[in-house]
Amino acid sequence: GQQVMQIPQYQHVQEGEDFTTYCNSSTTLSNIQWYKQRPGGHPVFLIQLVKSGEVKKQKRLTFQFGEAKKNSSLHITATQTTDVGTYFCAGPGFGNEKLTFGTGTRLTIIP
Amino acid sequence: EADIYQTPRYLVIGTGKKITLECSQTMGHDKMYWYQQDPGMELHLIHYSYGVNSTEKGDLSSESTVSRIRTEHFPLTLESARPSHTSQYLCASSRPTSHNEQFFGPGTRLTVL
Repeated sequence: GQQVMQIPQYQHVQEGEDFTTYCNSSTTLSNIQWYKQRPGGHPVFLIQLVKSGEVKKQKRLTFQFGEAKKNSSLHITATQTTDVGTYFCAGPGFGNEKLTFGTGTRLTIIP
Repeated sequence: EADIYQTPRYLVIGTGKKITLECSQTMGHDKMYWYQQDPGMELHLIHYSYGVNSTEKGDLSSESTVSRIRTEHFPLTLESARPSHTSQYLCASSRPTSHNEQFFGPGTRLTVL
């Protein structure tokens, strides 16, 4: 079945440093979605990318969808304490409407 | 803010008890999902529904069952809870068109003693 892996599993950064998480799917995705889950909370949708090579920005967050539509990345510039949480990518394969969630990257910020 | 609710938020029960986790949404979404998530780990889809009287098992085998008699309601039942069922259960819903974002409820944290 479809597998979606993320690296790194954990990332500890000093406040103000940049952060990047990478997402890789075993199959081609029709789109990629990113979610953020705060400690003790539930996943919250951040963004969806659909086109090959697409790049979208949300303030300090930059999302990219690979040309082959099998990988994606999320980059946060100048992290803040509010960025703490686990970031999940998720994607449906073609012809499959179910989302497969990635393994997640847990970000902690050192003040 | 998404209007999807789960009750109870926390549940501690003994082995062998029957439990039902409630999930309701007021957005009129046809698609609903149940995920199981251990602390700090990935989400595993255990059940989903694309509409009334439609239910399917997800990617992770689960001893739980679900029903979808009304669009807004998607309860999950465990006939006989065991310690291995201890986990967080998250309910989600999405709009009927393909590949839309999922809205998650706050989750039920279940502990079986």
